[in-house]
Amino acid sequence: AQRVTQPEKLLSVFKGAPVELKCNYSYSGSPELFWYVQYSRQRLQLLLRHISRESIKGFTADLNKGETSFHLKKPFAQEEDSAMYYCALLNRDDKIIFGKGTRLHILP
Amino acid sequence: GAGVSQSPSNKVTEKGKDVELRCDPISGHTALYWYRQSLGQGLEFLIYFQGNSAPDKSGLPSDRFSAERTGGSVSTLTIQRTQQEDSAVYLCASSAGPISYNEQFFGPGTRLTVL
Repeated sequence: AQRVTQPEKLLSVFKGAPVELKCNYSYSGSPELFWYVQYSRQRLQLLLRHISRESIKGFTADLNKGETSFHLKKPFAQEEDSAMYYCALLNRDDKIIFGKGTRLHILP
Repeated sequence: GAGVSQSPSNKVTEKGKDVELRCDPISGHTALYWYRQSLGQGLEFLIYFQGNSAPDKSGLPSDRFSAERTGGSVSTLTIQRTQQEDSAVYLCASSAGPISYNEQFFGPGTRLTVL
């Protein structure tokens, strides 16, 4: 089965503290994985994709095939990081499968 | 240029009525996607168009849901005999080609409330 699991519905982190949003996937084959973000009153947008190996807004995510994980990390949280984050997997039919999302709340 | 637009932004309807939701993709984008976003369920894939054809309709929840795309541009998602469980935000997205190589851009969504 093709599945993306985000175990945390809500994650509260103090400003300046490290952030880790967890994502695990189930997929037979080489997955292509993404993180999408939706800030309050804004559209859903791509944050990063694993093939580009970029750091966007200080966030990084490493694909761990052994653990079937693609956790999103940032060393120092900022208040503007508060948003809804979705992990997603692209299957071979060009269809994106999203997780249920994690709401990140940065505490002042 | 303009991004993906959707109309209406909000729709309130009575149970049993039909509704039509519209999506205008970014000009020139060949791929168009519909998703449903509901509380606690995250983003659920509904249907995908490449040009005017829909190679994957597997995500449509029931035969009350249908979608079409004409002229390789505008798409309409129709829900017949709406039920309360259809209440959600319906998102449209478009991309210039396969997502493997192209970014997917999302519209603002249509919030559907079925009373």
